[in-house]
Amino acid sequence: ETGVTQTPRHLVMGMTNKKSLKCEQHLGHNAMYWYKQSAKKPLELMFVYNFKEQTENNSVPSRFSPECPNSSHLFLHLHTLQPEDSALYLCASSSSTGAGANVLTFGAGSRLTVL
Amino acid sequence: GQNIDQPTEMTATEGAIVQINCTYQTSGFNGLFWYQQHAGEAPTFLSYNVLDGLEEKGRFSSFLSRSKGYSYLLLKELQMKDSASYLCAVRDGDYKLSFGAGTTVTVRA
Repeated sequence: ETGVTQTPRHLVMGMTNKKSLKCEQHLGHNAMYWYKQSAKKPLELMFVYNFKEQTENNSVPSRFSPECPNSSHLFLHLHTLQPEDSALYLCASSSSTGAGANVLTFGAGSRLTVL
Repeated sequence: GQNIDQPTEMTATEGAIVQINCTYQTSGFNGLFWYQQHAGEAPTFLSYNVLDGLEEKGRFSSFLSRSKGYSYLLLKELQMKDSASYLCAVRDGDYKLSFGAGTTVTVRA
């Protein structure tokens, strides 16, 4: 399988639940990203990992907890979310960050609904 | 913060041309990207401009004027499959990528 794969594609959870989103890339990229996409709003960068190390946390609430065990896998652990966290969560990867950064390759996203 | 503006919606007829404008105000500039996103799908890369001028790629062209903080994406010979959201994104002086809210293009027969 090629590209960036996200699971699950759809998730409905209550505010007290704990769930995780998974992202996997088979492109040999070293950098991975989580973005939040809400209707009619710009994509919001949440986290960046470069060679498994977190290099960016864009003031994201602690109820979102990322994990990057290796350069090919990225998780977003969710707990005690709020209804306003309902959105499309997009994972992306690229060959590097900073001055060497190139085009992002996105996954299809995980549509999250918080009840 | 970064400010990237693009129209919310545009409608055009099959076979026509549509131009999507994007204006930006960012702290530094290291390139401008256009992505296409069909409903329920991943955004996919369309074009990249870092120098002033026009980049042509088949039916799609992208233009950049750094002095004006302005870009446009030109879609020619529109097809029904071009109905999608088009995202303008700017890489700033710290090489961080900021996105506009996207322009939804609807192509009518």
